[in-house]
Amino acid sequence: KNEVEQSPQNLTAQEGEFITINCSYSVGISALHWLQQHPGGGIVSLFMLSSGKKKHGRLIATINIQEKHSSLHITASHPRDSAVYICAVPYGNKLVFGAGTILRVKS
Amino acid sequence: NAGVTQTPKFQVLKTGQSMTLQCAQDMNHEYMSWYRQDPGMGLRLIHYSVGAGITDQGEVPNGYNVSRSTTEDFPLRLLSAAPSQTSVYFCASSYSRGDYGYTFGSGTRLTVV
Repeated sequence: KNEVEQSPQNLTAQEGEFITINCSYSVGISALHWLQQHPGGGIVSLFMLSSGKKKHGRLIATINIQEKHSSLHITASHPRDSAVYICAVPYGNKLVFGAGTILRVKS
Repeated sequence: NAGVTQTPKFQVLKTGQSMTLQCAQDMNHEYMSWYRQDPGMGLRLIHYSVGAGITDQGEVPNGYNVSRSTTEDFPLRLLSAAPSQTSVYFCASSYSRGDYGYTFGSGTRLTVV
């Protein structure tokens, strides 16, 4: 059983669409991480949040600790947003990762 | 530039060869970790360290060794490479195990033939 579940696994959107990626977790956590990985590229930390909402440019991350759920939103999506988005939570001495959401934004 | 430096970016090994993947950070992070990323498997923790002189195993430690003699460096050693170790390897560091942001290295794509 994976402690972190992401949905959807794959997502195709048209440029300009509003995108939501969901992450649910089953363990108590102190913080949740959202990461981005472009094809063939490295991994970049987008957000770390423990409550409420954070915004960076067109990206917004929210978390509901009681419901053990987080969402990553992308407003006015662009082809350069095409990437794998991964959520991760601390569990013991490690980060546990979701399987990732593959996002493709078409122009 | 501050960050995590990972070398090499690409490597091809023959079965049975050994090699060391280098990882260095200049942010004075206590926590460093190694992951492998395989298609359909996501990121899996190989080994981690919570400070100089302290290392521990992750989910998939077999066939790998680590040491942490300084805060800055956390090399990953493949003792006798096997085709099953073909993967992309990432090093990451943080002030602590999960309550602070992580910085990832650019990755090493390793092929064992």
